[in-house]
Order: sequence, then structure tokens, then C-alpha cells
Amino acid sequence: GAGVSQSPRYKVAKRGQDVALRCDPISGHVSLFWYQQALGQGPEFLTYFQNEAQLDKSGLPSDRFFAERPEGSVSTLKIQRTQQEDSAVYLCASSPNTGNGFQPQHFGDGTRLSIL
Amino acid sequence: AQTVTQSQPEMSVQEAETVTLSCTYDTSESDYYLFWYKQPPSRQMILVIRQEAYKQQNATENRFSVNFQKAAKSFSLKISDSQLGDAAMYFCAYSIIFGNTDKLIFGTGTRLQVFP
Repeated sequence: GAGVSQSPRYKVAKRGQDVALRCDPISGHVSLFWYQQALGQGPEFLTYFQNEAQLDKSGLPSDRFFAERPEGSVSTLKIQRTQQEDSAVYLCASSPNTGNGFQPQHFGDGTRLSIL
Repeated sequence: AQTVTQSQPEMSVQEAETVTLSCTYDTSESDYYLFWYKQPPSRQMILVIRQEAYKQQNATENRFSVNFQKAAKSFSLKISDSQLGDAAMYFCAYSIIFGNTDKLIFGTGTRLQVFP
């Protein structure tokens, strides 16, 4: 497809389990972003990749959150030892540019994570 | 720190009428971008309109236009001739122009209902 693809669309996990969320950006897009959207809130920035380099991870809430993009394309957001407050929609976005705000970010449909 | 505030949790409008959604922001930067995104129940964030802070002319995209008041740090969205398909969550967002990342900072959103 032509858009940003995220999988799974829904994920239910028990507290304490590890989860992995996948993002396939638009082909050729250099920049990739992860956002966390709690219920009733706006998305909040988690981390940013330029190709395979993670240039900004200032939004990751704890060391249980880890993101990678080893080949500069697909990215995985991993959450270890999940807790109930991790329940949210996780949005991935990509854009073609390399660090200025001129090109808009294209978003995927998100993964809704529910921690029981 | 940059912040974005949307003071209207919910708005409603009758089909074919006009509605204005409010947004204020706080930043010490002089060059930045402002955006309005639409998020339908499918969860995908869709860019509605973009404004560059250095441009005095208000952006317009078909039925959507903005009122950008830089000195007041205000960025409202006007939807003319409202349609049923306009019903969604609307998020105001901010991004700096230059830097290592052009992450988006979102407001908390306004839910727009459109009545026939």
C-alpha cells in the first residue's frame, strides 16, 4: 500500500508481558516518528528516527520503552514489563524530509494497546 | 517549553453552517509551523491545513481556512459549509522549522459534531 502501515491494529497483553509494535513507513521516507495517544488526549511524541539513527528519544516515558529501525525502513517499538498506564494508541508517522518542518507527517492507523 | 491549548473539548454545527475551532500556543521561537489535523474514528491523523509562521497571509484549503494571529499566538480553524463527513476530533499542532527533529506538539483536541 501507499500509506504508513502499523501492526497489529489491536493488542491485548497482561501486565508484566513484553509487547512489540511494528511500523512500515511510506517507501523512501527518511523520517519516522512514534507518538503515544492516551484516551481523550492528543498524541505525545515518543521518539524520532532519521534513517536508522535515533536522533531524539526524549519522549520515551521510561527505560521499559525501546525503539529501533535497524535498516532505516521498518521500525519496532518495544515495551517491556508492561503496566496499565501503558494502555494507549501508539501512532507511527513518516515524512520524506530530514529535519525541517516543511513536509507534513503521514500517519498510520495506530495500534491500540490494552494492558489488563 | 512549547505548549498547545485547545479550550473547546466539544463543538457542534449544523450541516452547511460555519464553525470555528480555537487554538492558542506558547513558544519562544520566531519561525515555526502550525497545523490542524483531523482524526476520525479510524484513528488515522489527516492533515487539514498548514500555516508557516513567517507568512502573514492566512492559509486556505477549500472549505477550511485559518485565522493566524502571531502576536496573540492564536491559530483558529474555520470550517465553512460544514458536511457530515467533517465530524471528527480536530487537533491543533505545532512544529519548529529547524532542528534535529520536527516533532509535532499537539493540543488535547476538539470533538466536532455535525448535525443534519
